[in-house]
Amino acid sequence: DAGVTQSPTHLIKTRGQHVTLRCSPISGHKSVSWYQQVLGQGPQFIFQYYEKEERGRGNFPDRFSARQFPNYSSELNVNALLLGDSALYLCASSLWDRGLGRHLNTEAFFGQGTRLTVV
Amino acid sequence: EDQVTQSPEALRLQEGESSSLNCSYTVSGLRGLFWYRQDPGKGPEFLFTLYSAGEEKEKERLKATLTKKESFLHITAPKPEDSATYLCAVQARGFGNEKLTFGTGTRLTIIP
Repeated sequence: DAGVTQSPTHLIKTRGQHVTLRCSPISGHKSVSWYQQVLGQGPQFIFQYYEKEERGRGNFPDRFSARQFPNYSSELNVNALLLGDSALYLCASSLWDRGLGRHLNTEAFFGQGTRLTVV
Repeated sequence: EDQVTQSPEALRLQEGESSSLNCSYTVSGLRGLFWYRQDPGKGPEFLFTLYSAGEEKEKERLKATLTKKESFLHITAPKPEDSATYLCAVQARGFGNEKLTFGTGTRLTIIP
């Protein structure tokens, strides 16, 4: 089975430009989350989408937005890029469902990431 | 606010030399504590989930344990291929989402 797939793998953009990153979850997973990982740090939560609705948002500016499609794939959009947006952007999918029990297998599985460099 | 602190930041071991990595956490109500392995330039690879104090899980040379304030990742007789950054993350109950709060990781190097 295919894991979480992200595209593109690498991207170079200029300050002020816009970028769209894409993610396809594991088959059967309805939840997709996005994380930003700056070099030397742990991943930071940006968004979670479940059944096409935003379920959670981290402490990121409004320049960051996302959406989820009927096939559960997702896009992360970043406007007006800054040098500080340079990072590894990670997508994770899971079987998360807030209506299910405590011991549900809720592990999040990550893709290989998109390395974004802003110059 | 949920917090995760991992120590040490970096650890160098000889092949076969066992050790432990520490993950201290504060969370409003723990739903799960997760361990991931991350190779350079790659996404995190899931290792374990622990749900309650006293729980232990094993996989090959790795064993994860959980108390009410911290988790340990024990590595027994490591091999060079165990070299990676090990990330710990917590998930809180009650917020209606699956946000993971990560630590900064322990960079493990196993010397042949």
